[in-house]
Amino acid sequence: AQSVTQPDIHITVSEGASLELRCNYSYGATPYLFWYVQSPGQGLQLLLKYFSGDTLVQGIKGFEAEFKRSQSSFNLRKPSVHWSDAAEYFCAIPIQGAQKLVFGQGTRLTINP
Amino acid sequence: DTAVSQTPKYLVTQMGNDKSIKCEQNLGHDTMYWYKQDSKKFLKIMFSYNNKELIINETVPNRFSPKSPDKAHLNLHINSLELGDSAVYFCASSQGSGRDTQYFGPGTRLTVL
Repeated sequence: AQSVTQPDIHITVSEGASLELRCNYSYGATPYLFWYVQSPGQGLQLLLKYFSGDTLVQGIKGFEAEFKRSQSSFNLRKPSVHWSDAAEYFCAIPIQGAQKLVFGQGTRLTINP
Repeated sequence: DTAVSQTPKYLVTQMGNDKSIKCEQNLGHDTMYWYKQDSKKFLKIMFSYNNKELIINETVPNRFSPKSPDKAHLNLHINSLELGDSAVYFCASSQGSGRDTQYFGPGTRLTVL
C-alpha cells in the first residue's frame, strides 16, 4: 500500500545546529511528496513539495528536501535551526488516484537554546 | 485576509449533544477537506468535497455529516457526541486533487465531557 513513514517521533536539536528529519515512502512509481509544518496551536503549512525533475527541492523558511529513489526517502533538512522552527513536521503522499493525502505519523522538533 | 477559516476555535460539550463546525475558504478552490487529528498528532482525512460533491468518505461513523452549501463552505455536523470524538478537527482546501497544495484552517479543538 502507498504510504509514508516517519521513523522519528521526537527530535531535539540545539539552536544553530543542523537538522535532518526522515521520511520513507512506499509507492510503485515516482511519487508526489510533501512536507508540512504545524506550529503549536496552528494548522498545517506547506514547506515544500516534490513532483519530478530536480531531486533537491527548496522550500520556505530555509528548508530543503532531497528525493532519493534508491532509498525510498524524502528527508527534510535545514543547515541551522532557529527556536521558531520548534513544531510538528509531517511528510505526506497522495494516494487513491491522488484523491486524498496520507500523512506520516509526524516528528516533533524541540529546539534547545 | 484569512484563507481558510474555521469556527469555533474551541468547542466544549457534553456527551450526547449535537454540534457543528463551520469552514470557509476565500481562495477560490474547488476541493475542501475535513481532517481529524488525535491526541498523538496523527492526522487522518475524514471527508473531501469537490465543487459541492462528496468525493471521499472515509470510515467515519454516520454521526458525522458534512455539508457543502457552496464550494467555498464545508461544514461538519456531529450528532450524539462521544468521548472518543474529542480531537482537533482541521478544514483544508486545494485547487484540485491531492497532488495540489492544501491550505489548512487553524483547527477546532473539540472536547467532549
